[in-house]
Amino acid sequence: DVKVTQSSRYLVKRTGEKVFLECVQDMDHENMFWYRQDPGLGLRLIYFSYDVKMKEKGDIPEGYSVSREKKERFSLILESASTNQTSMYLCASSFRTLQHFGDGTRLSIL
Amino acid sequence: ELKVEQNPLFLSMQEGKNYTIYCNYSTTSDRLYWYRQDPGKSLESLFVLLSNGAVKQEGRLMASLDTKARLSTLHITAAVHDLSATYFCAVDSGGSEKLVFGKGTKLTVNP
Repeated sequence: DVKVTQSSRYLVKRTGEKVFLECVQDMDHENMFWYRQDPGLGLRLIYFSYDVKMKEKGDIPEGYSVSREKKERFSLILESASTNQTSMYLCASSFRTLQHFGDGTRLSIL
Repeated sequence: ELKVEQNPLFLSMQEGKNYTIYCNYSTTSDRLYWYRQDPGKSLESLFVLLSNGAVKQEGRLMASLDTKARLSTLHITAAVHDLSATYFCAVDSGGSEKLVFGKGTKLTVNP
């Protein structure tokens, strides 16, 4: 079974902090994704990566950056956290489009 | 730009009843996925539909795909409380490995 592991289930940070969300997958998948999920808005793609050091912006990249130095790890970075980035963040990995999701990180920015 | 619409967005039904959730999408695609999400949890893959006319069944859930009509359905037979969850459809956007998700259907099955 594919395992996608997100480093934290719950995280509380302060406005202006630099925040790192980590995601690791164990299936050697080429593609990895970061989404945020908000009530009434569904899943929105922030960034995705189709290979090491390769990344593409999704629908809502503003205020975020990503890093993929190794194939199994994809990090989401909030450069200067703001309260409107309070959300559930979901990481996924895929081979041939079926995406497997991690358990999610519920991030609160105070 | 690919758009995916699910309806209804909220569905409250009684145990034992049947109902269908619809997923319409705006551009050609022959890959569609259904996911389930329980409250506070992540998304779990339910069905993978890879061609026109594909039908998959698991327990009380059956999913089908009509690529010509750009429509997938998720049919619930004799609902039970354990099926209460949010169901998402997602469509392959073509060529980029990205999926476009519907907004989800929150299903509540009442005793």
